[in-house]
Amino acid sequence: GAGVSQSPRYKVAKRGQDVALRCDPISGHVSLFWYQQALGQGPEFLTYFQNEAQLDKSGLPSDRFFAERPEGSVSTLKIQRTQQEDSAVYLCASSLDLPNRDYHEQYFGPGTRLTVT
Amino acid sequence: AQTVTQSQPEMSVQEAETVTLSCTYDTSESNYYLFWYKQPPSRQMILVIRQEAYKQQNATENRFSVNFQKAAKSFSLKISDSQLGDTAMYFCAFAPRGGSEKLVFGKGTKLTVNP
Repeated sequence: GAGVSQSPRYKVAKRGQDVALRCDPISGHVSLFWYQQALGQGPEFLTYFQNEAQLDKSGLPSDRFFAERPEGSVSTLKIQRTQQEDSAVYLCASSLDLPNRDYHEQYFGPGTRLTVT
Repeated sequence: AQTVTQSQPEMSVQEAETVTLSCTYDTSESNYYLFWYKQPPSRQMILVIRQEAYKQQNATENRFSVNFQKAAKSFSLKISDSQLGDTAMYFCAFAPRGGSEKLVFGKGTKLTVNP
């Protein structure tokens, strides 16, 4: 079946512009995660949704970052007034969360590479 | 807070040989999971192997196996019979059991398999 998809795959923004990054999780997956991966680094957690509820946003680096998942499926990560330090690959992952299952594997999308000039 | 350390930024191995990637972590959690993820060039992150901390037996998946030393907080990945397709970034990751199970990643090891 279809995996996690993200769009756009590449985004160039001028400093100060707002951007919106989209994530389409695997159909039926309850949990959705956003991670930020700077060049040469491992991914870092940004935020987590269970259905439409944002249960953890402790990783969002500033109030310029905002994420939503209004209908419990597609999610959008919005960055306002982009800065050069926002340049990174933004990864989305989803998981199924079966009851009575020990661990719920996260399936990753291909990422959106954001370059702020 | 949990931290994951991968001390080998780059490694190389000849095709068909064995290579071991190192990872150490720090946590006060008693129940958690450890993972190795593979990120091929310009391709998606995929799970290679998972270890539950409460299980003493080391996980294995075909050519991939781990050496989990809980007391030392060490979690190394051994790749046997290396193949050209194993060339990738490898990330060690940690997740507490329960809650969001958000992943904490190391900085990665770039593995190159040479023909």
